[in-house]
Amino acid sequence: SQTIHQWPATLVQPVGSPLSLECTVEGTSNPNLYWYRQAAGRGLQLLFYSVGIGQISSEVPQNLSASRPQDRQFILSSKKLLLSDSGFYLCAWSKRLPGELFFGEGSRLTVL
Amino acid sequence: KNEVEQSPQNLTAQEGEFITINCSYSVGISALHWLQQHPGGGIVSLFMLSSGKKKHGRLIATINIQEKHSSLHITASHPRDSAVYICAGEYGNKLVFGAGTILRVKS
Repeated sequence: SQTIHQWPATLVQPVGSPLSLECTVEGTSNPNLYWYRQAAGRGLQLLFYSVGIGQISSEVPQNLSASRPQDRQFILSSKKLLLSDSGFYLCAWSKRLPGELFFGEGSRLTVL
Repeated sequence: KNEVEQSPQNLTAQEGEFITINCSYSVGISALHWLQQHPGGGIVSLFMLSSGKKKHGRLIATINIQEKHSSLHITASHPRDSAVYICAGEYGNKLVFGAGTILRVKS
């Protein structure tokens, strides 16, 4: 069966510090991968999606970036965090684009 | 503009009640998703439908293509159903999410 994991689950970072969130999928090949953000009290916002290794589509211009170094690995990064980057980040995968989504456990980021 | 709107925003029910959450969307979706977000933040996919009705346990999802409307029903609600329910429409290769309905079921 397929599983998806993301980490870390919680982190508190100072403004200006770097960020790296990692997501891996097991049990499937060539998944479509997504990073979503959910700000407090707001809906899901698509940040990036990827249909293959090295292929990244950005939905929202900001100081975040994403990379897909391996087929089932998706990384969300920032060189310098802003206060507005605080939120709940969710990685997800699907077989079809967009298709039924399977979410990771989420990573709660607080930028102070 | 591709939009998905949910109602109500908040819903409180007594255990055992029949619950309905509504979702309206603009023209052009190819499928409609219902998701459940637990208090801890994890999200699971409940249904994906493009026509008719689907049922899983006490959950029923319907969609009316002509009226551009979908409903999620919960029969015999239970406190463990307390969660945020989110609908999302497929527009091309993108999902557009509603703002979510916060459901609280009291015992």
